[in-house]
Amino acid sequence: DTGVSQDPRHKITKRGQNVTFRCDPISEHNRLYWYRQTLGQGPEFLTYFQNEAQLEKSRLLSDRFSAERPKGSFSTLEIQRTEQGDSAMYLCASSSHSGVDYEQYFGPGTRLTVT
Amino acid sequence: KNEVEQSPQNLTAQEGEFITINCSYSVGISALHWLQQHPGGGIVSLFMLSSGKKKHGRLIATINIQEKHSSLHITASHPRDSAVYICAVFGPGNGNKLVFGAGTILRVKS
Repeated sequence: DTGVSQDPRHKITKRGQNVTFRCDPISEHNRLYWYRQTLGQGPEFLTYFQNEAQLEKSRLLSDRFSAERPKGSFSTLEIQRTEQGDSAMYLCASSSHSGVDYEQYFGPGTRLTVT
Repeated sequence: KNEVEQSPQNLTAQEGEFITINCSYSVGISALHWLQQHPGGGIVSLFMLSSGKKKHGRLIATINIQEKHSSLHITASHPRDSAVYICAVFGPGNGNKLVFGAGTILRVKS
């Protein structure tokens, strides 16, 4: 399977714990995006990378959130000191962004529940 | 006012009906995605378009850049089309990320 993969698919954690999610993009894609989706809403942009450089971060991304893409391949999103309001689906997408081909391909998401 | 507005929010149709979902946006864009999301599932891109019309099977997407409006049509709808359909825009007005509508929940009854 050469699509975007995310791990884990589901995570239940207690408030105050740290969690880390992983995204593996389509291998030749240089752009990687993180989005968050709460129940009944459309996804919202969190951050994106071009290769290993983090080029933009949303104001939604508080200082408890950090994302990395150390070698320009997979990416991790860490949430420290989780709060109940962090419960959401975290979606990763990738695109090639070469020429006009910038269609984004989405992973299955990681559903986070903070109890 | 949200940058991307979809209508209707909820839609129930009988199997076989022709369905239209509308999307209006307020910013300049270079492309628009129509996406499909099944309950508990990930998001699948149906179309990306920047002008005119695209067709894939029973799905048709149109866009009018001047009017900042796009429509997704489903012909001969089927219960397996039941899903959330999301419009998202990408381009200079939004920086380099997608801005999403809230989605249209479609239920097709047999």
